[in-house]
Amino acid sequence: AQSVTQLDSHVSVSEGTPVLLRCNYSSSYSPSLFWYVQHPNKGLQLLLKYTSAATLVKGINGFEAEFKKSETSFHLTKPSAHMSDAAEYFCVVRNNRDDKIIFGKGTRLHILP
Amino acid sequence: SAVISQKPSRDICQRGTSLTIQCQVDSQVTMMFWYRQQPGQSLTLIATANQGSEATYESGFVIDKFPISRPNLTFSTLTVSNMSPEDSSIYLCSARTTGVAGGPQYFGAGTRLSVL
Repeated sequence: AQSVTQLDSHVSVSEGTPVLLRCNYSSSYSPSLFWYVQHPNKGLQLLLKYTSAATLVKGINGFEAEFKKSETSFHLTKPSAHMSDAAEYFCVVRNNRDDKIIFGKGTRLHILP
Repeated sequence: SAVISQKPSRDICQRGTSLTIQCQVDSQVTMMFWYRQQPGQSLTLIATANQGSEATYESGFVIDKFPISRPNLTFSTLTVSNMSPEDSSIYLCSARTTGVAGGPQYFGAGTRLSVL
């Protein structure tokens, strides 16, 4: 069985400060992990992916995530938030045995001026 | 990567009618999927669209309500049948190529459906 938990439904940060969006997962088999972003009235855009290579993954728009197997976590970070980062972020886990993917419930990121 | 086009992008429909959503991928992909995203919610998988055969539905979704076609590797349709206001959602098409290690799924922009 697999699951993904996004620990915060809403996160607010000031522009220029660091962003941390938390994600924990469980998977019976070696997982692939992804972060997607969804801007208002837009589709889902892939930010980054982890597929058993380097544990620190760099994505687009300055985002990165670190896979920590011991903590079953895949938190998304960015050193300095920008107003354009305001969006919904989804953590996704895929079981590499049966290809099923599971979406987290999403974290809405608010950027304060 | 794959570029996925969906149409219509949005529609407002009357109760009891049906709407067919089209999904076109710009490259041949192995797997295509349909998701529903209800207001303020995450994505829920409706079904996997199989080329040339019946789609594989997830628990809670049935073919009579959500018939799906996939006549070739790049095109699929989802029909929302006999609509009710509870069907108001965003419907998203997704595609992935297997055999590419760790390949992600790509998503269309979605179809925003409102049922009156």
